[in-house]
Amino acid sequence: GESVGLHLPTLSVQEGDNSIINCAYSNSASDYFIWYKQESGKGPQFIIDIRSNMDKRQGQRVTVLLNKTVKHLSLQIAATQPGDSAVYFCGSGGGADGLTFGKGTHLIIQP
Amino acid sequence: DAMVIQNPRYQVTQFGKPVTLSCSQTLNHNVMYWYQQKSSQAPKLLFHYYDKDFNNEADTPDNFQSRRPNTSFCFLDIRSPGLGDAAMYLCATSRWGQGDYEQYFGPGTRLTVT
Repeated sequence: GESVGLHLPTLSVQEGDNSIINCAYSNSASDYFIWYKQESGKGPQFIIDIRSNMDKRQGQRVTVLLNKTVKHLSLQIAATQPGDSAVYFCGSGGGADGLTFGKGTHLIIQP
Repeated sequence: DAMVIQNPRYQVTQFGKPVTLSCSQTLNHNVMYWYQQKSSQAPKLLFHYYDKDFNNEADTPDNFQSRRPNTSFCFLDIRSPGLGDAAMYLCATSRWGQGDYEQYFGPGTRLTVT
């Protein structure tokens, strides 16, 4: 089966700095990748997604990079703010099947 | 405006006592999912409905069942909850077939088993 994992369980950054959260996946057949943010006690909130025919996609303060050669996904958050503190999950899948999530990275913003 | 609604937000049940969690959506999405999320872990897919077609994950225990009486509602039934079933249960929806793969999550129901 597919596995999706994150390299670091906790990432601490200074407010205003850029954050990079990494993710590895194993199923080369995955054609859809997504990042969610989850605050304590809440459901996952969509951040950004990318299809396998792209290698980069930008949103508001966020960029997702996909490297299919090494099966690596990353989320870059520019100028991190206190409100960015949360657990970030990467997910992958294809079709109508549910997503396979990585373990999550807890992003901590230092003042 | 709430799009994926889960009730109740907190549920306490006794060991072995059947419990039902509910999910409704106002998005008219054709796919609905149930995930289990234990503390400090990633959500884990239990099953999903593609329209009326039920798709069970291979490792989902038989103790977990689901019903989807119509497009808007989906229920998660736990027939005999054990202590290990205490978790956050997340409902999500998507509109497969229209080029939109994003899953929209509800706020979750936190289940406590005493």
